[in-house]
Amino acid sequence: QSVLTQPPSASGTPGQRVTISCSGSSSNIGSNAVNWYQQLAGTAPKLLIYSNNQRPSGVPDRFSGSKSGTSASLAISGLQSEDEADYYCAAWDDSLNGWVFGGGTKLTVL
Amino acid sequence: EVQLVESGGGLVQPGGSLRLSCAASGFTFSRYAMSWVRQAPGKGLEWVSAISGSGGSTYYADSVKGRFTISRDNSKNTLYLQMNSLKDEDTAVYYCAKDLRVVVGPGYFDYWGQGTLVTVSS
Repeated sequence: QSVLTQPPSASGTPGQRVTISCSGSSSNIGSNAVNWYQQLAGTAPKLLIYSNNQRPSGVPDRFSGSKSGTSASLAISGLQSEDEADYYCAAWDDSLNGWVFGGGTKLTVL
Repeated sequence: EVQLVESGGGLVQPGGSLRLSCAASGFTFSRYAMSWVRQAPGKGLEWVSAISGSGGSTYYADSVKGRFTISRDNSKNTLYLQMNSLKDEDTAVYYCAKDLRVVVGPGYFDYWGQGTLVTVSS
């Protein structure tokens, strides 16, 4: 059971906009920034969004993040087939004194 | 170019030990905290342990506390994870990840290695 809660799956058709939610508590998302990682099949995770809504160099602006209270969201607009992947949210937890991850959301592009 | 290359994975019996290594290059290793994150087959990511840039501060997930030890050799640009008293549930791909800052805490992992598979089975 993951500390951060994500839906196990999400889907959309090419060109659509999809959102993935991430719910936590006051000791993690409520106190610290949220990061999102993308994991393509058979590969290592890759940083997708950091500090709630910042994109690393090279990440398309189709990807955006937001945070409100103890929840966060990842939005993907103009969905493309190459976006099919697992997405994980993560945050530092002040009570556990460690990193916590969401269980991951498998995005399928129909 | 930042590179993180894990090694040391393999098959080990329950109760056994294994030491993982992560060779780093392309950045000043001692200036960044490092973490180990694992992923059981078909499961999500789980943070395991972290160490500050100097090696003076270490952090562990409750699931491995007392059994795993994280360390680093800044002269060799290498991160280690000594795993003792291994259990079936430790079976996973273990990734090393570079932190944004020298201290462990709120930030993010900006680079990940390709992972090394540890299988605990009799």
